[in-house]
Amino acid sequence: GAGVSQSPSNKVTEKGKDVELRCDPISGHTALYWYRQSLGQGLEFLIYFQGNSAPDKSGLPSDRFSAERTGGSVSTLTIQRTQQEDSAVYLCASSSGTGPSPLHFGNGTRLTVT
Amino acid sequence: GEDVEQSLFLSVREGDSSVINCTYTDSSSTYLYWYKQEPGAGLQLLTYIFSNMDMKQDQRLTVLLNKKDKHLSLRIADTQTGDSAIYFCAERVRNAGNMLTFGGGTRLMVKP
Repeated sequence: GAGVSQSPSNKVTEKGKDVELRCDPISGHTALYWYRQSLGQGLEFLIYFQGNSAPDKSGLPSDRFSAERTGGSVSTLTIQRTQQEDSAVYLCASSSGTGPSPLHFGNGTRLTVT
Repeated sequence: GEDVEQSLFLSVREGDSSVINCTYTDSSSTYLYWYKQEPGAGLQLLTYIFSNMDMKQDQRLTVLLNKKDKHLSLRIADTQTGDSAIYFCAERVRNAGNMLTFGGGTRLMVKP
């Protein structure tokens, strides 16, 4: 596709439920990133995939968070037993992995935990 | 470790120039970036500069890099109301792969 696509754009869930957020990166981009942005805040790094290497999970805030990237393309971020503090915008980005390799962001998924 | 700092807020009048500043701590930065975020949207890449350059100009945007002081700035000439947004600087550090470290963002408000 032309850009990074994220779905759903909005998700409201009850505390304790599990949620899955999806990211379709730009075709051919080898690197994929997940960030979290709380209201009015900056970006918090969550996880980074680069090609076939083991992902960098150093930003995941707890073991309730996990992510996978299937076939080097689509990625899913899963949050188990959601808590109210998980409410945020979850942003996905991809990059080519060569040269200046700027990140190209999707429009994010706004997650609200009630 | 890496740390990227920005001031929180900037207000200018339409037609004036805006200068958004950013400081970083890691001297092994390879590329530095500026992104724009409008309400309800993701981050849009505005421009980037390679660390061996000290200036880059792109239409109304001028990026200045002072490596000695680890200071990056974005100047927007003839600022318009449509430039109102949050601006993020980011650095890519050598030996950190393709990871970027972002500043906290500067909210630019343009008054008519």
